[in-house]
Amino acid sequence: NAGVMQNPRHLVRRRGQEARLRCSPMKGHSHVYWYRQLPEEGLKFMVYLQKENIIDESGMPKERFSAEFPKEGPSILRIQQVVRGDSAAYFCASSSNQGVRTEAFFGQGTRLTVV
Amino acid sequence: QKEVEQNSGPLSVPEGAIASLNCTYSDRGSQSFFWYRQYSGKSPELIMFIYSNGDKEDGRFTAQLNKASQYVSLLIRDSQPSDSATYLCAVNTNAGKSTFGDGTTLTVKP
Repeated sequence: NAGVMQNPRHLVRRRGQEARLRCSPMKGHSHVYWYRQLPEEGLKFMVYLQKENIIDESGMPKERFSAEFPKEGPSILRIQQVVRGDSAAYFCASSSNQGVRTEAFFGQGTRLTVV
Repeated sequence: QKEVEQNSGPLSVPEGAIASLNCTYSDRGSQSFFWYRQYSGKSPELIMFIYSNGDKEDGRFTAQLNKASQYVSLLIRDSQPSDSATYLCAVNTNAGKSTFGDGTTLTVKP
């Protein structure tokens, strides 16, 4: 959905560098979800955030990965000291509420390539 | 056992036929079910959601849910070449967090 904005669309990083992925939710949405998609695989949940709060980070790797959603500005997914296995498409989705019957809308994704 | 399983595919149907995509899930507490379409290199696009047992129709798409069997399906009638894509089944158990299957790739041949 064009309403969820992710940037950059493509990101190339050398091994050991940091990657910062940004996501601006749809207008009026205060819930953000990050997913990772490896080639030929489905989407894997990483983290769920509301403004200034991490609600569920059960899918986040224990090291090198962090996420935030500040009061002002976009949500940021940060990957420190990237490795080749981090190469994937990272999608952000947003929703207007947190109910289980919640439709989430996806951004266009950031395709990270680690060389 | 995966939490959400889909036909491994690929699935190929001729133009005009009915395409049937299947999905099973393991968590009986799951309450909402979504079908997304994803074209190669693009983001997932929500095409159907269903919450209650039975059928839900929207144009050429019908979603079917059977909670007792923990089964959800998507039927695409009058399949078109433009329907060729990967279809992702997603299940919500907890808040807005979705668990996705690995997807089924559909090819509609003219």
